[in-house]
Amino acid sequence: SQTIHQWPATLVQPVGSPLSLECTVEGTSNPNLYWYRQAAGRGLQLLFYSVGIGQISSEVPQNLSASRPQDRQFILSSKKLLLSDSGFYLCAWSAQAVPNSPLHFGNGTRLTVT
Amino acid sequence: QKEVEQDPGPLSVPEGAIVSLNCTYSNSAFQYFMWYRQYSRKGPELLMYTYSSGNKEDGRFTAQVDKSSKYISLFIRDSQPSDSATYLCAFSTQKLVFGQGTRLTINP
Repeated sequence: SQTIHQWPATLVQPVGSPLSLECTVEGTSNPNLYWYRQAAGRGLQLLFYSVGIGQISSEVPQNLSASRPQDRQFILSSKKLLLSDSGFYLCAWSAQAVPNSPLHFGNGTRLTVT
Repeated sequence: QKEVEQDPGPLSVPEGAIVSLNCTYSNSAFQYFMWYRQYSRKGPELLMYTYSSGNKEDGRFTAQVDKSSKYISLFIRDSQPSDSATYLCAFSTQKLVFGQGTRLTINP
């Protein structure tokens, strides 16, 4: 069966510090990968998605970037965090071979920028 | 008009009650319909996935889709305290669109 791992679960970082959140998927090959941010009362916001190694699409301009160095690894980064980067970050995957397949989420990272 | 409308609640019901959660949508191109359950401080978990009008049942959960009215519902029978969570509807065509989520509490 497929599993998705996301870490760390919680993170407190000062303004201006760098960020690296990692997500890995097991049990499937060539998945679509996604980074979402969830803010209270604002629902799920798609940040980045990837259909393959090195292929990243950005949905919104922001202080964050994403990379996919391996087929089942997705990384969310920032060089300098802003207070507004605080939130709940979720990684997700879907089966690329199945059109309109549902997303499966990790358990998220709660980021607090102080 | 928003693409997806979902009552944010909160909704509080006694244990054993039948719960009805609803979403409306405006995009006729949506072909696939999903419900996710999200416990506090966890990621959303896929509950139901369907692409046709009508009902789909899975244990105590029933997903209902009415494409003509652009309306989907999730029914929970014999609700349990463990059903307390936020429920998100989601719609798919070429991309996935989520509702805002309804926070549900089942009181013992």
